[in-house]
Amino acid sequence: AQTVTQSQPEMSVQEAETVTLSCTYDTSESNYYLFWYKQPPSRQMILVIRQEAYKQQNATENRFSVNFQKAAKSFSLKISDSQLGDTAMYFCAFMKRGGATNKLIFGTGTLLAVQP
Amino acid sequence: DAGVIQSPRHEVTEMGQEVTLRCKPISGHNSLFWYRQTMMRGLELLIYFNNNVPIDDSGMPEDRFSAKMPNASFSTLKIQPSEPRDSAVYFCASSIDANEQFFGPGTRLTVL
Repeated sequence: AQTVTQSQPEMSVQEAETVTLSCTYDTSESNYYLFWYKQPPSRQMILVIRQEAYKQQNATENRFSVNFQKAAKSFSLKISDSQLGDTAMYFCAFMKRGGATNKLIFGTGTLLAVQP
Repeated sequence: DAGVIQSPRHEVTEMGQEVTLRCKPISGHNSLFWYRQTMMRGLELLIYFNNNVPIDDSGMPEDRFSAKMPNASFSTLKIQPSEPRDSAVYFCASSIDANEQFFGPGTRLTVL
């Protein structure tokens, strides 16, 4: 069974600074996706970034980038130039490709507070 | 596109009552997921439909929970009878096959 671990329950960063959220996962699969979702106080789940396991290049979306270390099963999220609107709960998620169920397996989340 | 639509946004009911949550997926999406979010268990999949057929319902807690997808544009999650431990936020999500899942705004259920 796959598991996703986020070891940082809470983090804080000053506006305009850079912060990195950690995520590790455990799987025996070779074909999968990894995701970071953002959940602001509105509780809407918003996809931040996606990484295909077969791609060596780290995904980037504007101020958001990942450090994907497949051998180490690590998938961290870096937020550059943090903004007040980045304050939210961040969830790391795993999805096996090609299985019967395309379900997301989530970590427990990291609550990020961006301080002015 | 309006995105995934869920109703109601909030539901407060008394123990023993029947609760029905509704979801309209994004048009053209063929996969639909129901997730539950609680403080104790985090986000977990309840059931997954593909082309209106339930594929994986292993996450459905017990017989009190049932889900249907009568057509490609509508799904329901029913709890009967409801219990206080069912209090949670219930999310519906949809996707095209094994691609990005788009989440609805969620339904916050409180069972007194």
